[in-house]
Amino acid sequence: GQSLEQPSEVTAVEGAIVQINCTYQTSGFYGLSWYQQHDGGAPTFLSYNALDGLEETGRFSSFLSRSDSYGYLLLQELQMKDSASYFCAVRDLDSGYALNFGKGTSLLVTP
Amino acid sequence: DAGITQSPRYKITETGRQVTLMCHQTWSHSYMFWYRQDLGHGLRLIYYSAAADITDKGEVPDGYVVSRSKTENFPLTLESATRSQTSVYFCASRRDGSGLNTIYFGEGSWLTVV
Repeated sequence: GQSLEQPSEVTAVEGAIVQINCTYQTSGFYGLSWYQQHDGGAPTFLSYNALDGLEETGRFSSFLSRSDSYGYLLLQELQMKDSASYFCAVRDLDSGYALNFGKGTSLLVTP
Repeated sequence: DAGITQSPRYKITETGRQVTLMCHQTWSHSYMFWYRQDLGHGLRLIYYSAAADITDKGEVPDGYVVSRSKTENFPLTLESATRSQTSVYFCASRRDGSGLNTIYFGEGSWLTVV
């Protein structure tokens, strides 16, 4: 089996930096992904890490440590529009070609 | 570029009725998925498909049936709807080859079973 753990809620101030952690237990491993979902909307792809290290895409960065079964999503220069839910997801031997998602982290950005 | 579309977007049905949620994608992606989303549970995989006539069960398949007679369509049927199946249902697809972790979601189907 597999499990993904991420905090349920995070609050941060506009302009600040926030880190959302994700730990996972899987059988085999084919990468860690992050998705964003605004209220009432569909999840959308943010980033993907197959190898250890940091991937940067604009204000968002994602990090992976396969030896620690750990990753995080880093959001910089927070904006009000970043208020959303963020999901980590893995593809592994059990999920085959599907993605299995964590329960999500609700990020609230305050003025 | 229509992408992936779901219908109906909103549906209220009665317990025991059969309901079919439609999913259509215009990208010719081989892989398609159905997820349900409930508060406190995140996104849970119901069924998935690698190609026409190939389907696999996900984490929560009980009470659901899928078919994939054409690559572009992946309907999800609730054979006898129950209140516990009240949820938001997302269809998704993924292209072959590179980008194996990038899946594209439809806008969702909000289903209420009364």
